[in-house]
Amino acid sequence: DAGITQSPRHKVTETGTPVTLRCHQTENHRYMYWYRQDPGHGLRLIHYSYGVKDTDKGEVSDGYSVSRSKTEDFLLTLESATSSQTSVYFCAISEETGTYNEQFFGPGTRLTVL
Amino acid sequence: QKEVEQNSGPLSVPEGAIASLNCTYSDRVSQSFFWYRQYSGKSPELIMSIYSNGDKEDGRFTAQLNKASQYVSLLIRDSQPSDSATYLCAVNTGGFKTIFGAGTRLFVKA
Repeated sequence: DAGITQSPRHKVTETGTPVTLRCHQTENHRYMYWYRQDPGHGLRLIHYSYGVKDTDKGEVSDGYSVSRSKTEDFLLTLESATSSQTSVYFCAISEETGTYNEQFFGPGTRLTVL
Repeated sequence: QKEVEQNSGPLSVPEGAIASLNCTYSDRVSQSFFWYRQYSGKSPELIMSIYSNGDKEDGRFTAQLNKASQYVSLLIRDSQPSDSATYLCAVNTGGFKTIFGAGTRLFVKA
């Protein structure tokens, strides 16, 4: 998985609780991404980062926030989890953006919100 | 209309045959195109990137791009049961925006 780890790998939580997912990379890539994957929707971008403390929203960012205090770590927080946020979450990294934006994915976190 | 469309499948081919996976996209300014393979319960794995019209070959895989018709395809020659997976087409339209299709499930029968 290209030197990318995600934690936890599985989590079950209750509606209304905050949840933080962690992505850690050892590749020293500048760009990091959080996606969610749901049946029939493919991968959808939640947030991305283009450097330490530099982040921006993707297409499905409502209810999520991110932080990046170090190059290697990118955190995704669900402020108050809802059942619609039950999904598989993937972190990805890339060395470049634009045309040569080859992204490499972590192993994923399966989140269930009851 | 979805920005990146793929037939969900499943596409079933016998072992040793050629599997042909297709993808169409809507944004004419798309610059780069990627194919990912995803085994059940696993993460997507990049298998091919293509940036210009024509064919690009890598082992048993060939990616084909036709920007005028806005489609990209992936051919898998001599298909093996281990190729059974979901194949995701991804299109970068510039900057950070990479759009993924929902994927085509491929089943290779032994």
